[in-house]
Amino acid sequence: DTEVTQTPKHLVMGMTNKKSLKCEQHMGHRAMYWYKQKAKKPPELMFVYSYEKLSINESVPSRFSPECPNSSLLNLHLHALQPEDSALYLCASSQGDTGGQTYEQYFGPGTRLTVT
Amino acid sequence: AQTVTQSQPEMSVQEAETVTLSCTYDTSESDYYLFWYKQPPSRQMILVIRQEAYKQQNATENRFSVNFQKAAKSFSLKISDSQLGDAAMYFCAYNLVPANQFYFGTGTSLTVIP
Repeated sequence: DTEVTQTPKHLVMGMTNKKSLKCEQHMGHRAMYWYKQKAKKPPELMFVYSYEKLSINESVPSRFSPECPNSSLLNLHLHALQPEDSALYLCASSQGDTGGQTYEQYFGPGTRLTVT
Repeated sequence: AQTVTQSQPEMSVQEAETVTLSCTYDTSESDYYLFWYKQPPSRQMILVIRQEAYKQQNATENRFSVNFQKAAKSFSLKISDSQLGDAAMYFCAYNLVPANQFYFGTGTSLTVIP
């Protein structure tokens, strides 16, 4: 099973709402990622979790709050977003750093977020 | 700084023909992995092909092959016998060893003409 799942597929939220995005993988991967992607642009890295610990935060505003409850789950909590935060949010996972080897990332289908 | 450059924002190819997408990267590291990802419109990003920097032999996956020139820091993707389903945005990327951070290029939008 090489699947990364994300829910919901689409989300519309107001600037005062609180919502969460969910990502799940059952491949035993130890690294998980959140990306933001605008149309026809490459994914922009937001956060990296390695062995359930936050290892990279690319200076993301605090209105985005990641959480990794266990090795299979990754959440992104959203609060007080701005219209410019509207984008496709991608989750990915990879085998992680094991003995100096790194592996390709497997991407989920994304959550299309619209902030009104 | 780690950078990946895709100099062709858009490319087109006739169905059944061959097309090459170019990618150059800049790193001072010697150990890394290179990837090509495909993202069809409104669909999931999937891995097309990967290349380990320590391997001299170019990777091949069915109709997809790469031309890896390590000294020139070049990693182009050749698609043979292009099919309509190949139409997508293609991103070149690399990952340093042992970091878990991928660097993506700006993408090339490929159109396949019937």
